Amino acid sequence: QQQVKQSPQSLIVQKGGISIINCAYENTAFDYFPWYQQFPGKGPALLIAIRPDVSEKKEGRFTISFNKSAKQFSLHIMDSQPGDSATYFCAARPASNTGKLIFGQGTTLQVKP
Amino acid sequence: SAVISQKPSRDICQRGTSLTIQCQVDSQVTMMFWYRQQPGQSLTLIATANQGSEATYESGFVIDKFPISRPNLTFSTLTVSNMSPEDSSIYLCSVGQHTEAFFGQGTRLTVV
Repeated sequence: QQQVKQSPQSLIVQKGGISIINCAYENTAFDYFPWYQQFPGKGPALLIAIRPDVSEKKEGRFTISFNKSAKQFSLHIMDSQPGDSATYFCAARPASNTGKLIFGQGTTLQVKP
Repeated sequence: SAVISQKPSRDICQRGTSLTIQCQVDSQVTMMFWYRQQPGQSLTLIATANQGSEATYESGFVIDKFPISRPNLTFSTLTVSNMSPEDSSIYLCSVGQHTEAFFGQGTRLTVV
């Protein structure tokens, strides 16, 4: 069964701190790993994504670290801001399909001022 | 990125009725998807809407309950049929463009 496990379920970070969200997957046939940010009442917005042939990708304050052998990847939010407070979802795309995504359970992040 | 518009944005429906959700994309896309997000939960794929052919449903979802249309490359509809309170969820349209997937703002459905 294709699964993506995400942790923690919720996270509270002080402003300026580092937020770290972890995901693990079970299927080696995934070829694309995006992270989505969702604010209440909105659809998920693509934040950053990585392919399994890359170990790290950084875009501004957001970094994905990818460990292919461990089948794990994580999102790091540096200098976390109150505006980053949202729900974050990791996902994985089966290599056989160009659009279908398997989502993690989600992490609700609260950044305290 | 593709701009995706969904209608309605929210609705409250009586049990036993049906609701059709529309998804319009500002560019032609090959693949369109429908997801369900139950309250406080993650997203689960309902089906892939294929232009010119029947939709492909994921395990646990059936065409009689969630009929889908895809008349062209920019539009799709999802109908939630014979609704029950358990169908109360956010329904999201998604499109695959190049290697990325984008989502509409969702339709928040409450069944009473």
